Amino acid sequence: DQQVKQNSPSLSVQEGRISILNCDYTNSMFDYFLWYKKYPAEGPTFLISISSIKDKNEDGRFTVFLNKSAKHLSLHIVPSQPGDSAVYFCAAARAGRRALTFGSGTRLQVQP
Amino acid sequence: EPEVTQTPSHQVTQMGQEVILRCVPISNHLYFYWYRQILGQKVEFLVSFYNNEISEKSEIFDDQFSVERPDGSNFTLKIRSTKLEDSAMYFCASSAGSSVSYEQYFGPGTRLTVT
Repeated sequence: DQQVKQNSPSLSVQEGRISILNCDYTNSMFDYFLWYKKYPAEGPTFLISISSIKDKNEDGRFTVFLNKSAKHLSLHIVPSQPGDSAVYFCAAARAGRRALTFGSGTRLQVQP
Repeated sequence: EPEVTQTPSHQVTQMGQEVILRCVPISNHLYFYWYRQILGQKVEFLVSFYNNEISEKSEIFDDQFSVERPDGSNFTLKIRSTKLEDSAMYFCASSAGSSVSYEQYFGPGTRLTVT
């Protein structure tokens, strides 16, 4: 099941620079998208979300961009901090449903 | 800050045994969920629960699985006869029930090991 894909298993950036994490989806029924961060031995932590009626949502250092025509979303973290080092999951929900479909995750490492 | 809690953190059981995983969702949330993550694989949706009944379930959630909200605070997942392939991290989540935002808040997980 590859409805939500995160093609980069890992990403390394320098502290203070921008981190860009990407996610693609194939199911046009998805209309709500979320990003989660996960540390080892913990559950996913909600970061930011976006509805399909928007193309951008910002919360502090985190911005999510949605390109519906390309079925692509990205998470920008700026400036990146060492504490941001974690696995980031993209997730999507279909209209009227609450089940989340997750991507495989991208491991972000922020180098001091 | 309110959080979802899960017990136990690690459960070891023998194949064929019944297990019950417990969760306490965030107190004013209305939707409750179970997900699982088999080692090295994606987080997968199992079931959602609203107004004392299952609202959605996946193909994984077969007759071996059941959920219950036995009181006003707990939410449980029962696996009747565990199989080796049930070994996974099981995450409980809850959400507020807003019609415009679907954020789900996850617990720390229960690691289930079936031997």
